[in-house]
Amino acid sequence: AQTVTQSQPEMSVQEAETVTLSCTYDTSESDYYLFWYKQPPSRQMILVIRQEAYKQQNATENRFSVNFQKAAKSFSLKISDSQLGDAAMYFCAYRTGNNAGNMLTFGGGTRLMVKP
Amino acid sequence: KAGVTQTPRYLIKTRGQQVTLSCSPISGHRSVSWYQQTPGQGLQFLFEYFSETQRNKGNFPGRFSGRQFSNSRSEMNVSTLELGDSALYLCASSPWTSGRETQYFGPGTRLLVL
Repeated sequence: AQTVTQSQPEMSVQEAETVTLSCTYDTSESDYYLFWYKQPPSRQMILVIRQEAYKQQNATENRFSVNFQKAAKSFSLKISDSQLGDAAMYFCAYRTGNNAGNMLTFGGGTRLMVKP
Repeated sequence: KAGVTQTPRYLIKTRGQQVTLSCSPISGHRSVSWYQQTPGQGLQFLFEYFSETQRNKGNFPGRFSGRQFSNSRSEMNVSTLELGDSALYLCASSPWTSGRETQYFGPGTRLLVL
C-alpha cells in the first residue's frame, strides 16, 4: 500500500516571502500522480498543483511550483511571494496511474500560517 | 459549470441512527469518490463509484455504504451511527475519460453524532 508523509505539521512564512512544504511518499509503482490540495478554513479542498510521475519537468502554476524527485520519492511545494490568502492546510496526495480508479492517499497535512 | 455540490452541509444525529448524504458531481463527471476527514485519522478514502458501480473501497466497516445513480449523483449511507463517525465527509468527482483527469471536491457535509 502507498503511504504519504508530511513531516511538518505547521509552517509559518512572512508575507511576500517564499516557503517550501515537504512531502515524501512510498510506492512500488512507476506510473502515478501526485497532488497538492489546499484546504482553507471553509474546508473546501482546492487543487493547487499536480504532477504526473512520467513527466520529468516540475509542474508550475503561477506562484506555486513543485520539486519532484522521483528517485527520492519526494514532492515538495514551493510557494513564492506568499499572500495572506495562502494561509490554509495543505495536503499532499498520491493516486495510482494504473487506471484502477480515483482513490487518493493523503498525507497528514501541513498548516501554513502567513504573517503580515 | 457548477461545482460539486453536497447536501446537507451540516447534520446532527444521535448514536444508533442512520444518515444519508448526497453528492451531485460536476456535469459530465462519471466518477464520484467519498472521503472521511477527522482530526485523529485525517483524510481517508471511503469508496468510489463509476457508472453506477463501486470501483474501489477503503477500509471501513460495512455500516458505510453508497450508491450511484444513472445521472452520476451519488449517496452514501451510514447505519447505526457511532460517536466516532463524527467527521467532515467530502465528495469528489472527475470525468474519467482518459483516466488522467483530476478530481474536484465539494464543500463537504459536516456530521456530528451525539
